[in-house]
Amino acid sequence: ILNVEQSPQSLHVQEGDSTNFTCSFPSSNFYALHWYRWETAKSPEALFVMTLNGDEKKKGRISATLNTKEGYSYLYIKGSQPEDSATYLCASRSGYSTLTFGKGTMLLVSP
Amino acid sequence: DTEVTQTPKHLVMGMTNKKSLKCEQHMGHRAMYWYKQKAKKPPELMFVYSYEKLSINESVPSRFSPECPNSSLLNLHLHALQPEDSALYLCASSQEASAGGDTQYFGPGTRLTVL
Repeated sequence: ILNVEQSPQSLHVQEGDSTNFTCSFPSSNFYALHWYRWETAKSPEALFVMTLNGDEKKKGRISATLNTKEGYSYLYIKGSQPEDSATYLCASRSGYSTLTFGKGTMLLVSP
Repeated sequence: DTEVTQTPKHLVMGMTNKKSLKCEQHMGHRAMYWYKQKAKKPPELMFVYSYEKLSINESVPSRFSPECPNSSLLNLHLHALQPEDSALYLCASSQEASAGGDTQYFGPGTRLTVL
């Protein structure tokens, strides 16, 4: 994998559903994986930075896992709420290079 | 305070205009960044400043001219832009440029339209 890929591109769930997204990134020379939450007309908000294989991070109902050997990270949202509606971006850093972003997963949670 | 501010929020300019985008942070961060985001595309890095010195220029055309007057401020001077330069311009900052595990804090962006 040369680029950072995110799937699905968009997702529409009902309030209370749990959901997850995938971020695939180059596994060679991996340094760090960042997750951001971006609401329309607001600043992207940093959720997690993960560096170690097997890392798991949690913030409220949102959690993330990291597999650096196979080059993927999952973001989970438990019991989605309408206020979770946003675009979720991941970004990978290899060596001393800069962050490379994926296109994001757009989540819409309906009441 | 983890806020990065950007002004203006929206900017419309003609191809012969000269304008500037401004970014400010008061977190004591020593690295500041400009990104460009076109619709349905990921943010793309333009410039990185580290300790007020330009450390990365991602082959950006010279019609974009960055400036870092001090550790809290980052400007992007625009001159003779093309309609294809219309995009969202995001500013970000982090503790250090070389630490991959540092969080980058983003501003809300300036939506630029070039007529």
